[in-house]
Amino acid sequence: DIQMTQSPASLSASLGETVTIQCQASEDIYSGLAWYQQKPGKSPQLLIYGASSLQDGVPSRFSGSGSGTQYSLKISSMQTEDEGVYFCQQGLKYPFTFGSGTKLEIK
Amino acid sequence: QVRLKESGPRLVQPSQTLSVTCTVSGFSVTSYHVSWVRQPPGKGLEWVGAIWKGGSTDYNSALKSRLSISRDTSKNQVFLKMNSLQTEDTGTYYCAKHSYWYFDFWGPGTMVTVSS
Repeated sequence: DIQMTQSPASLSASLGETVTIQCQASEDIYSGLAWYQQKPGKSPQLLIYGASSLQDGVPSRFSGSGSGTQYSLKISSMQTEDEGVYFCQQGLKYPFTFGSGTKLEIK
Repeated sequence: QVRLKESGPRLVQPSQTLSVTCTVSGFSVTSYHVSWVRQPPGKGLEWVGAIWKGGSTDYNSALKSRLSISRDTSKNQVFLKMNSLQTEDTGTYYCAKHSYWYFDFWGPGTMVTVSS
């Protein structure tokens, strides 16, 4: 199975701050990466697919980049509604696998 | 409007079988793949398996021997059955619509507790 390693496990950011979350795959996943945001008691919501494509309706302050085994999610200006847990997911091979999550809080 | 909704028991006894139904609207299960994803309390996400739009299935190899995913196209429903449940199967079970290999719409989830 492809292992997805996310970092950091948690972080806190001030309003307006730029936040970056990393995801490393155990092998090349050829940009087959998605990012999700999950708020407490809610289901995950798709933010980014194909490593860098923004899902419809997602604010433009979210962006994704990377290739090969290294990927990142950037929030360009932290807002209160961005608090939650963020997961990466690879879609290259079955079983689809997720990172362990990054909990993002407002400082 | 795309919607998915899971329904099933809140409590299952150890060694028993879990049956969860995903009822979808706004799309056809014959046009889009549907996956099941689960999440233990306070933990991460685990892909359980999928039923492809053509009707074939793929399962997480770690769960494959206990799993069955099927569908009723006339009712636009997808079913998850998992047998020999243990306490580590406790968690929220989500169904999710695919867009290619990622999940663009999710149900609210159903929380299942395995306990005697």
